[in-house]
Amino acid sequence: GAVVSQHPSRVICKSGTSVKIECRSLDFQATTMFWYRQFPKQSLMLMATSNEGSKATYEQGVEKDKFLINHASLTLSTLTVTSAHPEDSSFYICSARGRGLGNTIYFGEGSWLTVV
Amino acid sequence: TQLLEQSPQFLSIQEGENLTVYCNSSSVFSSLQWYRQEPGEGPVLLVTVVTGGEVKKLKRLTFQFGDARKDSSLHITAAQPGDTGLYLCAGVVWDSGYALNFGKGTSLLVTP
Repeated sequence: GAVVSQHPSRVICKSGTSVKIECRSLDFQATTMFWYRQFPKQSLMLMATSNEGSKATYEQGVEKDKFLINHASLTLSTLTVTSAHPEDSSFYICSARGRGLGNTIYFGEGSWLTVV
Repeated sequence: TQLLEQSPQFLSIQEGENLTVYCNSSSVFSSLQWYRQEPGEGPVLLVTVVTGGEVKKLKRLTFQFGDARKDSSLHITAAQPGDTGLYLCAGVVWDSGYALNFGKGTSLLVTP
């Protein structure tokens, strides 16, 4: 099946710094990518939807200036958490839909962000 | 906005027992998916149900999609410790570019 890879799987950063998480579709062209955030023992909350070559659509309550999403190519989307604070510590998961793969959505392995 | 309500949120049972997890919404979904997630990993798709009234079986797991396509259930027969995990239902929202909206999840613990 199609593979979506996230990097890094775990990252620790200092409060006030920025951190970038990458989401790559390894064997298909991802026309749409989705970013989710999951706090411990909670469900996945959709943050934003990004289509290749266009600006991301953010869900209500998600600060677009804080969570910068770039989907510059059909195989890569990045989420940059700017000026990170401890409350941004969370599990971030991306998923992707691919050209020619119907409506199936493929998930990455997730990235643990800890802000200290 | 939580489109999907899952119940129960937590379930602790003994090996061999049966259980049912429910996923309800006031919205109609074109399809509903069930996922299982282990701690620190991404969710893994178990099944997709598309047709109202559809029933799908995956070994000891039985999935049902409501006739009106607003609700779904997951039934596990003779639960085993390996079934322990977070079970999530998710529905496709058409006007969000096929984004999946997840229920809050059901955390299942099966003890030997």
